[in-house]
Amino acid sequence: NAGVTQTPKFRILKIGQSMTLQCTQDMNHNYMYWYRQDPGMGLKLIYYSVGAGITDKGEVPNGYNVSRSTTEDFPLRLELAAPSQTSVYFCASSFPPADRLAQETQYFGPGTRLLVL
Amino acid sequence: GENVEQHPSTLSVQEGDSAVIKCTYSDSASNYFPWYKQELGKRPQLIIDIRSNVGEKKDQRIAVTLNKTAKHFSLHITETQPEDSAVYFCAKKAGGYQKVTFGTGTKLQVIP
Repeated sequence: NAGVTQTPKFRILKIGQSMTLQCTQDMNHNYMYWYRQDPGMGLKLIYYSVGAGITDKGEVPNGYNVSRSTTEDFPLRLELAAPSQTSVYFCASSFPPADRLAQETQYFGPGTRLLVL
Repeated sequence: GENVEQHPSTLSVQEGDSAVIKCTYSDSASNYFPWYKQELGKRPQLIIDIRSNVGEKKDQRIAVTLNKTAKHFSLHITETQPEDSAVYFCAKKAGGYQKVTFGTGTKLQVIP
């Protein structure tokens, strides 16, 4: 299994441009997440999804949109890029354990570094 | 009640010494507390976790303790090694919800 993959690895955008960050997982995980990590800071949840066709906002959803048409893919869309969106973006996935005492590991992708100038 | 506070933000220890990182929360619904390690330029990876029905869990040199009454949990690393140098994040999750809230991270430096 490739696990969680993200593209691109790095991107420079001009203010006002739009782009889609791609995320794919091949572990048949129901749950998927998008986080942003600003330099020297923790992870903030942007959006998450508990299954195909279902998405919900996290802590910092403004300026972003998501869709989940398949179990495998969870793209993140930036419509009008702003300098405040300069960050590293991590996608993650997890599978709800059948045993409630089992580990609930979130598997992270390698990240996309975005610079908005 | 959504946040989790993590201290210290940076920690330097001599190789072989122990390191302790503490996190506090305020809600009563959280019942799952994972810890993630992020090496420089890499993705976060789960290293240990604990559920609210357990007070302590160990895995070789790392251990996590949970005090449900006081609403705090801690990561303990014994006999630290240079490869333990990384940023460590605590997190919490409430049962039935899939949102995980992360702490702000602790940068651990192990000095050889």
